[in-house]
Amino acid sequence: DAGVTQSPTHLIKTRGQQVTLRCSPKSGHDTVSWYQQALGQGPQFIFQYYEEEERQRGNFPDRFSGHQFPNYSSELNVNALLLGDSALYLCASSLLSGQGSYEQYFGPGTRLTVT
Amino acid sequence: AQSVTQLGSHVSVSEGALVLLRCNYSSSVPPYLFWYVQYPNQGLQLLLKYTSAATLVKGINGFEAEFKKSETSFHLTKPSAHMSDAAEYFCAVSYGAGGTASKLTFGTGTRLQVTL
Repeated sequence: DAGVTQSPTHLIKTRGQQVTLRCSPKSGHDTVSWYQQALGQGPQFIFQYYEEEERQRGNFPDRFSGHQFPNYSSELNVNALLLGDSALYLCASSLLSGQGSYEQYFGPGTRLTVT
Repeated sequence: AQSVTQLGSHVSVSEGALVLLRCNYSSSVPPYLFWYVQYPNQGLQLLLKYTSAATLVKGINGFEAEFKKSETSFHLTKPSAHMSDAAEYFCAVSYGAGGTASKLTFGTGTRLQVTL
């Protein structure tokens, strides 16, 4: 049973560019959440997707957008990259409701460096 | 609004000694509480969770935590530290409104160092 997978592992971009990060949830999960973890900090919630709709959103600008596909996989898009967007981006999957819905399982993350 | 405070950004213990990592939470509704561990260059692994059942929660790798509502605390303990426990530990809070999953709010983390 594959856990949460993310791609790519590492990414280097230039200021002003756009980036797309990808996530496949754990088998059986229907909800995907994205978090940003800056160096030396705890993860910060970006948004959560369920049934291809954004269900919750954290305090991030509109430059951060996402998408969820019918197979529950998800993408995180960041436009007009800033140096401050350099971070580890973590994807977490869960069940929206029912037994164990409160548990979020994390992928290994994508390390984004903006130069 | 909900928040988590982890006291001590760095904790150092000797191998075999007691591990105590502190976490206090603030939540306007009954919380769900979690401890995650992060090894270098890896994602987060769930150690244990509190979801309004037993207040003493046992997790993986010999860790446990006790939910104390009166103290708004959820401290993580392990009786005997092992070198492999060296990692970053995060406390997190969420709430389950109507039985549905909510976002996690994390503390700033505690780096555990284990020495010989």
